[in-house]
Amino acid sequence: EPEVTQTPSHQVTQMGQEVILRCVPISNHLYFYWYRQILGQKVEFLVSFYNNEISEKSEIFDDQFSVERPDGSNFTLKIRSTKLEDSAMYFCASRVDPGGNSPLHFGNGTRLTVT
Amino acid sequence: AQTVTQSQPEMSVQEAETVTLSCTYDTSESDYYLFWYKQPPSRQMILVIRQEAYKQQNATENRFSVNFQKAAKSFSLKISDSQLGDAAMYFCAYRVYQETSGSRLTFGEGTQLTVNP
Repeated sequence: EPEVTQTPSHQVTQMGQEVILRCVPISNHLYFYWYRQILGQKVEFLVSFYNNEISEKSEIFDDQFSVERPDGSNFTLKIRSTKLEDSAMYFCASRVDPGGNSPLHFGNGTRLTVT
Repeated sequence: AQTVTQSQPEMSVQEAETVTLSCTYDTSESDYYLFWYKQPPSRQMILVIRQEAYKQQNATENRFSVNFQKAAKSFSLKISDSQLGDAAMYFCAYRVYQETSGSRLTFGEGTQLTVNP
């Protein structure tokens, strides 16, 4: 069964550094998402992306965050200047269409640790 | 704004027994979807079961079933014949029905389920 793949599985970075989290959505999917889960807390929506533009973003997704689909397969989340509170599990997800019968497929996540 | 509340931070069940996890939500929408996701220690998010709000019949998936009470805005998950592999964090989630792009999932705080042998 096709999967959403995320790399790396664990990223350690120093505060103030830029980090790029990478995702390869399922090949025929058109809608892409990033979610975040701070340790011990709920999963939170960050951003959705369709047709090479952001379709919705949460209040968490401020100017230090950006997303990009640089080619036909990758979907990236960039954090320009990381802060300690950015330490979290970041999940990429995709679906084939926005309709209700289209399930959301999650990747295994990237654990980001900011020191 | 939609909110999802799981009032049980932790639950435990004996192997082979039945357990029910609670979830309530708040929304002004009439068309929406509700989900239960399982997150084992590996942190992967696994869809357990899904319910369309327009369907009166409760969804079932093998040992997993829901009790969907639309008027009460309640969406509980029942796990029958609990197995050790069911031990995980369970998240209730909501999504508005939306044909356009976006339609974010809103998650509850989660319930940590322990299965005792």
